[in-house]
Amino acid sequence: GAVVSQHPSRVICKSGTSVKIECRSLDFQATTMFWYRQFPKQSLMLMATSNEGSKATYEQGVEKDKFLINHASLTLSTLTVTSAHPEDSSFYICSARFEGRNYEQYFGPGTRLTVT
Amino acid sequence: DAKTTQPPSMDCAEGRAANLPCNHSTISGNEYVYWYRQIHSQGPQYIIHGLKNNETNEMASLIITEDRKSSTLILPHATLRDTAVYYCIVRSNFGNEKLTFGTGTRLTIIP
Repeated sequence: GAVVSQHPSRVICKSGTSVKIECRSLDFQATTMFWYRQFPKQSLMLMATSNEGSKATYEQGVEKDKFLINHASLTLSTLTVTSAHPEDSSFYICSARFEGRNYEQYFGPGTRLTVT
Repeated sequence: DAKTTQPPSMDCAEGRAANLPCNHSTISGNEYVYWYRQIHSQGPQYIIHGLKNNETNEMASLIITEDRKSSTLILPHATLRDTAVYYCIVRSNFGNEKLTFGTGTRLTIIP
């Protein structure tokens, strides 16, 4: 199956700093990538959808100036959490859609962000 | 709004078949039924999907009722590694519709 990687897998940062998370589709080109967030014991919540070469579409309630998404190539999308606060601590998961297979989505392993 | 309804939790004995139900009474004609699972602290893993016919792959079987208002995911011989949260999702394969996760079923395999 298609492989999606994320880096880093875990990150700890201080409040007020920014953190960048990378998402890569390793063996396919992904025109569309998604970013999800998951708090403990909760389901995945979609944050934004990004299409290669264009601005991301954010879900209601997600601050676009705080969660910067860049999808500069067909295999790479980045999520930058700016001015992180402890309440941003969460499990961030990216997903890439392979349009050659009925638009199936493949998920990365997730990034655990802890803001101290 | 949730498009699917699943029991919050289930237990299954190791080696037995695990049958996970899902109700999707408002499913439309062009929507598929997808199943994903999420093992603790990992990203979701695709299991299977179908439109109206029953489907089987190396991981599981998917049984969809004739009226398509419900389905059952079957893990034929559950192992401890099948302990996970299982998500049933309905989604059209047209255009750019995204996967929206509900609360899922937490399946625990008992030794």
